[in-house]
Amino acid sequence: DIQMTQSPSSLSASLGERVSLTCRASQEISGYLSWLQQKPDGTIKRLIYAASTLDSGVPKRFSGSRSGSDYSLTISSLESEDFADYYCLQYASYPPTFGGGTKLEIK
Amino acid sequence: QVQLQQSGPELVKPGALVKISCKASGYTFTSYDINWVKQRPGQGLEWIGWIYPGDGSTKYNEKFKGKATLTADKSSSTAYMQLSSLTSENSAVYFCARGNGYGYAMDYWGQGTSVTVSS
Repeated sequence: DIQMTQSPSSLSASLGERVSLTCRASQEISGYLSWLQQKPDGTIKRLIYAASTLDSGVPKRFSGSRSGSDYSLTISSLESEDFADYYCLQYASYPPTFGGGTKLEIK
Repeated sequence: QVQLQQSGPELVKPGALVKISCKASGYTFTSYDINWVKQRPGQGLEWIGWIYPGDGSTKYNEKFKGKATLTADKSSSTAYMQLSSLTSENSAVYFCARGNGYGYAMDYWGQGTSVTVSS
């Protein structure tokens, strides 16, 4: 199975701050990566697919990028509703696997 | 709009089975896979498998073969996951998610169903 190593596992940041999360894939996934947001009530929403394509309705302060086997999610200016858990998901090959998650908290 | 509405929380005894549902609306149910994903506190997310309601074909994560059984009812646009021989390791929140796009991409997610295995 492809291992997705996500960092950091937790992050404390302030409103308006720029933050970046990273997932590193243990094998080639050719950009087939999504970023998911899980709110405190448990609901999950996909933010980005194909490493950098924003889902419809997702604010433009979210962006995704790739550098080799490292995939990043950047939030340019944190808003209160962004404090949540974030997960990456590789869907290139069987079985799809998730990163361990990043808990983004208010400083 | 696409919606996946899951059934309510379950409290089941060890050794029993449970069947949870995921009712789809807002799209053609038979044209997209339904994936199931497990989440345990502190354990992250694990993919269980998918079912293609169009023809009932399934694919399972090896880890969940023999534990999970996926079915779908086209008449009610509902996917089901049955978990058998339950143990405390199966206590988790289970999500359904629509498959869309290349490979195992998942776009819309249900709200999750909590399953607690306890005597």
